[in-house]
Amino acid sequence: QKEVEQDPGPLSVPEGAIVSLNCTYSNSAFQYFMWYRQYSRKGPELLMYTYSSGNKEDGRFTAQVDKSSKYISLFIRDSQPSDSATYLCAPLAQGAQKLVFGQGTRLTINP
Amino acid sequence: GAVVSQHPSRVICKSGTSVKIECRSLDFQATTMFWYRQFPKKSLMLMATSNEGSKATYEQGVEKDKFLINHASLTLSTLTVTSAHPEDSSFYICSATLPGLATNEQFFGPGTRLTVL
Repeated sequence: QKEVEQDPGPLSVPEGAIVSLNCTYSNSAFQYFMWYRQYSRKGPELLMYTYSSGNKEDGRFTAQVDKSSKYISLFIRDSQPSDSATYLCAPLAQGAQKLVFGQGTRLTINP
Repeated sequence: GAVVSQHPSRVICKSGTSVKIECRSLDFQATTMFWYRQFPKKSLMLMATSNEGSKATYEQGVEKDKFLINHASLTLSTLTVTSAHPEDSSFYICSATLPGLATNEQFFGPGTRLTVL
């Protein structure tokens, strides 16, 4: 079993839709849960992260972690064409340095 | 802040030659840098962790003699692909951690696309 599983998509939705991106993980030691966004032919950029279980909101983006089920979600409200990118989840254990990336979900928002 | 640059952005070379890729932290000192490779439509695969002034730690399956990493200063790490072959063609991305952050958040460079003919 991979440490982090993420549906690679591709996922295509119309502009304005609510998007749900998800990951599951197996390592109970993960405490930080990062979401990176990667545009085509660019390096990833950190979108947001949460610590332990719970929700965190940043503008149109909401990150959610359920440690009991080892399930990570990223919601995008009022999606825009500029949100079209690959989204990678990357959990991290406390004090660890190495990120463990999910496969990434390719998202396309159609105008 | 926390900007990481890479040079070159893309390189094409002949099989058998060596290629050096530079990774710089522009506005902070990075004690730890990471090197990844990414194949088309695939996720990032960690190749090695590089700490300033010490030998890099390579991930299982990564040939240390083929992918030479040097982290000579707190703002510069280099990856040299020696005797490159077409199968080494990939997107190479570096990242650096910002000291003092509890999350050990990584800041990524823009990547270098290597094509070996």
